[in-house]
Amino acid sequence: EVLLLESGGGLVQPGGSLRLSCAASGFTFSMYAMNWVRQAPGKGLEWVSAITGSGGSTFYPDSVKGRFTISRDNSKNTLYLQMNSLRAEDTALYYCAKTPGSNAFDIWGQGTMVTVSS
Amino acid sequence: SYELTQPPSVSVSPGQTATITCSGDKLGDKYACWYQQKPGQSPVLVIYQDTKRPSGIPERFSGSNSGNTATLTISGTQAMDEADYYCQAWDSTTYYVFGTGTKVTVL
Repeated sequence: EVLLLESGGGLVQPGGSLRLSCAASGFTFSMYAMNWVRQAPGKGLEWVSAITGSGGSTFYPDSVKGRFTISRDNSKNTLYLQMNSLRAEDTALYYCAKTPGSNAFDIWGQGTMVTVSS
Repeated sequence: SYELTQPPSVSVSPGQTATITCSGDKLGDKYACWYQQKPGQSPVLVIYQDTKRPSGIPERFSGSNSGNTATLTISGTQAMDEADYYCQAWDSTTYYVFGTGTKVTVL
């Protein structure tokens, strides 16, 4: 069974940092691009970052560029999101999602909640 | 930046057809996909590459994409189809873009 399990969320003060992890199982992790997608409470979905299977290329929307860093360790089948200079508007449920090559997200984790508040 | 617009809500009677639209500039030139999200659950891919259904998705879900509009159609809508639906496309400058979301209510 293909599974994605996020962890690392929590409460952090504005300006603080947090690192999220996503443990993958049930597929050849290194063959697939991976992403982070977030959803603020009661709001829609927002793509946050993407990384190629090798980890050689990364992509971000302007809203997080320069503050967030996506990375992966293919030997550990784990995806990461380092979040710095956090703002209240970064409060959301963060999902990791697998991209099969069709520019869609075919598998999603259950999400980990990040709350930025003083 | 690239934007995708959906109607906030769609209501449908059980057994009838629900149609959800997603509008974006020259969206028909890109691949569109659709996600279903029920309360408290993670999104589920129901349509990708405009018209394809992932394994396990019922045949009553279908998609199309032309011009500036992609459409998700749910034929013979069931109570279990009540959910939020999001379209999504990939753009060369904005990368992954989600639509604004549509709440489908089965009355």
